[in-house]
Formats: sequence, C-alpha cells, structure tokens
Amino acid sequence: KNQVEQSPQSLIILEGKNCTLQCNYTVSPFSNLRWYKQDTGRGPVSLTIMTFSENTKSNGRYTATLDADTKQSSLHITASQLSDSASYICVVSAKGNNRLAFGKGNQVVVIP
Amino acid sequence: NAGVTQTPKFQVLKTGQSMTLQCAQDMNHEYMSWYRQDPGMGLRLIHYSVGAGITDQGEVPNGYNVSRSTTEDFPLRLLSAAPSQTSVYFCASSNLHYYGYTFGSGTRLTVV
Repeated sequence: KNQVEQSPQSLIILEGKNCTLQCNYTVSPFSNLRWYKQDTGRGPVSLTIMTFSENTKSNGRYTATLDADTKQSSLHITASQLSDSASYICVVSAKGNNRLAFGKGNQVVVIP
Repeated sequence: NAGVTQTPKFQVLKTGQSMTLQCAQDMNHEYMSWYRQDPGMGLRLIHYSVGAGITDQGEVPNGYNVSRSTTEDFPLRLLSAAPSQTSVYFCASSNLHYYGYTFGSGTRLTVV
C-alpha cells in the first residue's frame, strides 16, 4: 500500500476559483512534508516544505497545511490561474531515512 | 542558473541497445538520485548516492547501473534497453539534510 495517498486524483476548476488538494500519509517517524508542482513535460518544482512543528506555510497563492497528529496535509490554491494547471505531488520523508515517499499527484486543470 | 541539468531531453532506443543518461548539478549537493515516472504511478527511486564513490539501490534498480566519480555528476546507464524501461527519468539532488531537493527537467525515453 502506498504510504502517501492524494485526493482527488484530478479536478477541473474555473479560473479565479479556489481549490483544495488533500494528502494523507502513513510515513513514520515523520520528518517533513513537501508539495511540488509539476508542469506537463517538466520536472517537479518545490512549493513548500513543512516540518512537524509547522501547521501552515504559504508561497504566494499556494497555502499548505499540516496536521501531524492525523497525518494529513492540504494544499489550497487561491484565485486560480490558467498557469496553475499542473500535477501537484505530495512527498513525505521519514527521520533518519533518505528515501522519499511520493504520492501519485493531483492533476489540476484550470479552464477560462 | 544553478540547478540540475539532464541530457538528453528525449531519446529513442531499440531493444537491447545501451545508453547513458547524464545528470549534473552545480549546487555542491552530496545526495543525488534517479527516479522514473510512469503514468498513474508516483516517482520511483532507481539508484541514489550520498557522495562521490558511494552508490546504493533504490526501489526499482534492475536493468540500471550508476556511478559517482565526482560530486557534480551522476550518470545512469541502461545496460540492455527493454520496452519496460520506456519512461520519464528524473535526476534530483539535495544536501544530506534532504532540504533543497531539486529535480532536473527530465529525460523522456522510449524503447521500441
């Protein structure tokens, strides 16, 4: 079973609207959680990274939250733009371990 | 610009051919790794290295070899290409605290 589960698998939103992506994980002991944005045909680019003690972190119109007790994270996109169309990947790492656990990604399509 | 550089961007191989995917980084990162990304699946670790002269296997190492003779370079060799190795390959690097995890732009490989 995948240690990182993301939902929804895909969604379509209207330009200007907000959306929230979910990430649930079972990785333990937890070290940090990252959200990456991957445009079609490009490599993943880091949006945020959060450690155990951080609940919220923002990067422009992207806001990530973390609940380490329930092992859940979300990525909120505010006032979506066409350029937000991409796959958003949740990545979790464990303490003392150089392996990263990757989710399969949330595919977001923003339409005008 | 500093970062991870991968070459080539696209490659078509015939079954049984060998080739090397190149990866170079100029951030003095100790950790380098290779992933493959297939449709509907998360990124999967092929091989990784924590420093020059040190390499180790990841989740899906069969059919691939790596070496790390310098801090900057981490080439991935396909010994005898198979259609199952058709994929997009990403190289990534970071410091040993696994912050600043940076991906290259990818190599799209097709084996016919």
